[in-house]
Parts: sequence; C-alpha cells; structure tokens
Amino acid sequence: GENVEQHPSTLSVQEGDSAVIKCTYSDSASNYFPWYKQELGKGPQLIIDIRSNVGEKKDQRIAVTLNKTAKHFSLHITETQPEDSAVYFCPGNNQGGKLIFGQGTELSVKP
Amino acid sequence: DTGVSQDPRHKITKRGQNVTFRCDPISEHNRLYWYRQTLGQGPEFLTYFQNEAQLEKSRLLSDRFSAERPKGSFSTLEIQRTEQGDSAMYLCASSLYSPPGYTFGSGTRLTVV
Repeated sequence: GENVEQHPSTLSVQEGDSAVIKCTYSDSASNYFPWYKQELGKGPQLIIDIRSNVGEKKDQRIAVTLNKTAKHFSLHITETQPEDSAVYFCPGNNQGGKLIFGQGTELSVKP
Repeated sequence: DTGVSQDPRHKITKRGQNVTFRCDPISEHNRLYWYRQTLGQGPEFLTYFQNEAQLEKSRLLSDRFSAERPKGSFSTLEIQRTEQGDSAMYLCASSLYSPPGYTFGSGTRLTVV
C-alpha cells in the first residue's frame, strides 16, 4: 500500500492564524488524497479529499492543494478557531481501498 | 441513517475473558473495515469486508481475533482470551466505493485489567 509521510507531527497556532499540514507520497500512480480530522474520543472524520486530476479544492475555511510533480499534498486551514484543535491524518490508500494511517498531526489552536 | 454505530462504547474486561463488539455500518455501504487505535497513534488496519466476504486480514490480527459479517450488514469483532496489550480503541468504518470516503463510528474503547 501507499506510504505517506506527514509533517509536522505537532502544530500550535494562535486563533485566527492559518495552519498548513503537508504530506508526501511515493507512488506516482496514487490518485486519491483524503484528509481526516479526529477529535478526542471520536472516530476520524473525512473533512476534504482531492483526486489527482484536480490541483486544488476548497470548502469554506479548509483547502487541499496537490502538487503531482513534487508528490505532495497539503491541508490549509484559514482563520483557525479553537474547534479546529484535533489530530489530522492524510492516510495513504491502496488499490483495495484500504486506508493506511500514520501518526497524524496534532493541531492546537490557542485562543 | 445516523451513520456508523458501534456497541458498546466502552468495555472493561478481565484478562483471559472473551469480548465481542458490534458495528452497524451505513446501510447502503458495501465495505466495512475494522481498525485498532492506541493512544498517540493513528488507526491500524485489522480487516475488511466487501458485503459478507472478508477480503483482507492484517498480520496484526492474531488467531485470537475473529471478525464476521454474516449477511453483509452488521459486523462483529471477537477477541478471545484477552490480554492487556489488547487494550485500545476499536474503530469500525464503512464505505461505498473504492478509493473510499470512509465513515467511521465513534469506536469501542476496550480496557483489559
């Protein structure tokens, strides 16, 4: 399956600032790039995803950008709010549809 | 449809006992996945079903673990002779297509004492 490296492992921002999390993949055949958010005590939740035929996708304050040449994709959160505090994952996936999760990025938004 | 339901939410058991967890996926989803998550780690894949067929099992899934999805709807995950190392959050997810947009349940937190 596809292995994905995610950085940083922790990120602390002030409320209202932007946050960026980056993931790098190795398989040039990868064509699906999801982002999941996990709040304490809950299961991960799909917040945005992008396919390889698109370079950017936005949904209100969150966006994902894809650089196929460099093999990385990033999650951008603008105007961060305390409720954005969570662990964010960019799992790799294989042809069978299985998601492979890394350790994620713990985002802390300070009021 | 209210999403993926898992039962129970919490389970405390003594070492050596058997436990069974249940997952009810979104009704139209044909794929169902089980993951295990320990503190500070991402979810680890255990197994998945397409309809009633179990298509893949992780090497993490020892012979003490068994999963079923008898009618292609709900699924059960049983752990026999529990060990302290089995303490974790067990997550279930379902999806309709591959590559998946998974919908996760809230998990069952198992504590083995």
